[in-house]
Amino acid sequence: KNEVEQSPQNLTAQEGEFITINCSYSVGISALHWLQQHPGGGIVSLFMLSSGKKKHGRLIATINIQEKHSSLHITASHPRDSAVYICAVPSYSGGGADGLTFGKGTHLIIQP
Amino acid sequence: DTAVSQTPKYLVTQMGNDKSIKCEQNLGHDTMYWYKQDSKKFLKIMFSYNNKELIINETVPNRFSPKSPDKAHLNLHINSLELGDSAVYFCASSQDTGTGGLFFGEGSRLTVL
Repeated sequence: KNEVEQSPQNLTAQEGEFITINCSYSVGISALHWLQQHPGGGIVSLFMLSSGKKKHGRLIATINIQEKHSSLHITASHPRDSAVYICAVPSYSGGGADGLTFGKGTHLIIQP
Repeated sequence: DTAVSQTPKYLVTQMGNDKSIKCEQNLGHDTMYWYKQDSKKFLKIMFSYNNKELIINETVPNRFSPKSPDKAHLNLHINSLELGDSAVYFCASSQDTGTGGLFFGEGSRLTVL
């Protein structure tokens, strides 16, 4: 079964800083998810990626399939980016409806 | 319109009671999931259904029984509630099994007293 390690667990930064959150997993996968959980509790899927890089606004996600590693970057960070960011991968290499295994999340606080 | 909707959003009940949480998705997705988020905010898969068929049943007590009347609905029924069942339960759906984007409901916070 896949295991997921996320780092850092907690991150406090100043507005405008470039943020990087890392995720490593143990079993080869078809796709990796980055999720955002707001203080209110709702979960939003930010990215699903299987190779290379994706960009959405100030958010950039990259994945290296060979190294089993993904990063989530936030450029020009803003206090509204404060949230928990969670990496998730299929629980088993076959993917399918096996559901996901989640990292423990990175609690990001952006101070004005 | 909400893509994945769960009801109720909050549920407070006594130990030993039976309760249900309902989930509906209007995205036409084939796969639906139930996830549990514990007090440490750690998310874990409980069940997944693909076209009304149970695919995953992680090590979840028999007191938890998912029911999928059709592929747009996946309800979670919990018997004989225990204190440790207190958590936030998230429903989610995806078009494809494991490769499609994931859409979450808002979560249902269950408190067992």
